[in-house]
Amino acid sequence: SQKIEQNSEALNIQEGKTATLTCNYTNYSPAYLQWYRQDPGRGPVFLLLIRENEKEKRKERLKVTFDTTLKQSLFHITASQPADSATYLCALDIYRGSTLGRLYFGRGTQLTVWP
Amino acid sequence: EPEVTQTPSHQVTQMGQEVILRCVPISNHLYFYWYRQILGQKVEFLVSFYNNEISEKSEIFDDQFSVERPDGSNFTLKIRSTKLEDSAMYFCASSDFGQGNSYEQYFGPGTRLTVT
Repeated sequence: SQKIEQNSEALNIQEGKTATLTCNYTNYSPAYLQWYRQDPGRGPVFLLLIRENEKEKRKERLKVTFDTTLKQSLFHITASQPADSATYLCALDIYRGSTLGRLYFGRGTQLTVWP
Repeated sequence: EPEVTQTPSHQVTQMGQEVILRCVPISNHLYFYWYRQILGQKVEFLVSFYNNEISEKSEIFDDQFSVERPDGSNFTLKIRSTKLEDSAMYFCASSDFGQGNSYEQYFGPGTRLTVT
């Protein structure tokens, strides 16, 4: 069966450290992989997208890598801050021209950054 | 910054009743989606909509569900006869899907549906 697993349900780190979140998938061949942030009671907010032919993408303190051989993406937040505390969702988009952006989400990793 | 809006924020209904959840996508977007999230569970795709018709629907989206774009701005999800298991947060999302080379989806704040 198709599965998306995010490394742990919760991750606690100290302010200033780098948070690394993992997303592993099986039985998909995603064209795109996206990371979203979700705060309690709110909708997901887009952070970064990486294509199947890209290895790495950066945006400010965020970095995402994508290894289609390992079927894994790593999401890094450098110099983490308490305001980064949220649930981070990995989402796969298998768009191949016949589907229009249907996203398959993982359950998310709840990140807590403590001062 | 443009955003997706949803109304109501919370809807309580009795089992068997019909509910309509409303969304106003971002104005220049052409692709619309509904997702749901049962408390403590992952976000799940329900349906995608483009050019006034359903593009894809999941196995969750059975005959009790329907979507409509009644005018140029609103996008609605109707559940004809609600069940207890329909209780969830429902998110609307929109995308310009490739125009300007972007594929990210913009989500609304959600409608919490409680079926009693």
